[in-house]
Amino acid sequence: NAGVMQNPRHLVRRRGQEARLRCSPMKGHSHVYWYRQLPEEGLKFMVYLQKENIIDESGMPKERFSAEFPKEGPSILRIQQVVRGDSAAYFCASSPPRTSGGETQYFGPGTRLLVL
Amino acid sequence: KQEVTQIPAALSVPEGENLVLNCSFTDSAIYNLQWFRQDPGKGLTSLLLIQSSQREQTSGRLNASLDKSSGRSTLYIAASQPGDSATYLCAVSRSDKLIFGTGTRLQVFP
Repeated sequence: NAGVMQNPRHLVRRRGQEARLRCSPMKGHSHVYWYRQLPEEGLKFMVYLQKENIIDESGMPKERFSAEFPKEGPSILRIQQVVRGDSAAYFCASSPPRTSGGETQYFGPGTRLLVL
Repeated sequence: KQEVTQIPAALSVPEGENLVLNCSFTDSAIYNLQWFRQDPGKGLTSLLLIQSSQREQTSGRLNASLDKSSGRSTLYIAASQPGDSATYLCAVSRSDKLIFGTGTRLQVFP
């Protein structure tokens, strides 16, 4: 059972370009979470998705950022018109359907975005 | 607003020592608390998950305790090894998201 997969592992973009980050959850997991780790900072929650639904996007910047988790295929985090401050490691996590006690989130290796 | 603090921020110890890493959180209404390990340039590996109704979990040389009422958790590492060198993160869950501390950077030297 493969773990959470993210690609690309490293992404370089120039200011103003678009960045697309992909995440394939573990088999059987229907919940996907995106987190961002800025340099020398802790991980911050961005968005929580289930298939075809955004459940909680309270951590997403108001502009330029969007996320989706279609019925088929990976979850996509899209950043339009990137700026240098978007340079960070973006981690995806997945979990099985929730129980009342909460489930372990399994993390992917991350995508390291560098904006020149 | 939930805030998670970890102390110390960094720790350097000789091999073989027993270690205690601390995590505190401001809102005791949590579902669970997780401890993770992060190696440089890598993702996160889940070490232990403690549900809010539990007081501790053990895995090998690791033991994590949870005192929800006082907003504290400790990660105990027995007989530390150089391979334990990494950043250790604690995270609390209330709803859907994990709220992370800033981590303890551990170095174990031979």
